[in-house]
Amino acid sequence: EPEVTQTPSHQVTQMGQEVILRCVPISNHLYFYWYRQILGQKVEFLVSFYNNEISEKSEIFDDQFSVERPDGSNFTLKIRSTKLEDSAMYFCASYPLATSSYNSPLHFGNGTRLTVT
Amino acid sequence: SQELEQSPQSLIVQEGKNLTINCTSSKTLYGLYWYKQKYGEGLIFLMMLQKGGEEKSHEKITAKLDEKKQQSSLHITASQPSHAGIYLCGADMGRGSTLGRLYFGRGTQLTVWP
Repeated sequence: EPEVTQTPSHQVTQMGQEVILRCVPISNHLYFYWYRQILGQKVEFLVSFYNNEISEKSEIFDDQFSVERPDGSNFTLKIRSTKLEDSAMYFCASYPLATSSYNSPLHFGNGTRLTVT
Repeated sequence: SQELEQSPQSLIVQEGKNLTINCTSSKTLYGLYWYKQKYGEGLIFLMMLQKGGEEKSHEKITAKLDEKKQQSSLHITASQPSHAGIYLCGADMGRGSTLGRLYFGRGTQLTVWP
């Protein structure tokens, strides 16, 4: 079964550094998302991306965050200047074609654990 | 914003016992998803419910959505150690909300001891 793949699985960075988290969504999916989960807390929506632009972002997704789909397969989340509170598990997700979307689940990757020191 | 309350927060059962996890919404749900998560790992899709009164089963796991579409339950029959993990419910608010934007509960930590 096709999967959403994320790299790296773990990332350690120093406060103030830029990080890029990478995701390869399922190939025929059109909607892409980033979620995050701070240890012990809820999984939270960050941003959704469709047709090469952001369709919605949460209040968490401030100017330090950006997303990009640089080619036909990758979807990235960039954090420009990391803070300690950015330490979390970041999940990429994708959704299939719009016409069938409400009959299909949201597919999540295995996540990237980001630790900011 | 959408609030999902899951109960119980944690559950410890002996292998072979049945158990139920509940997920209650403050608003009517368009869709309700159940995921399983091993600590520190990804979300594994279990089931999706959309219609009031809907019930779905897969192996020993059954999920139901009530008629009013504000509460869902996940029932595991004859639990096994492989069922251990964190069970998350996620809600799709449908119209007016971005497709694929889910609101999650805090999760229920399930431990199954032999």
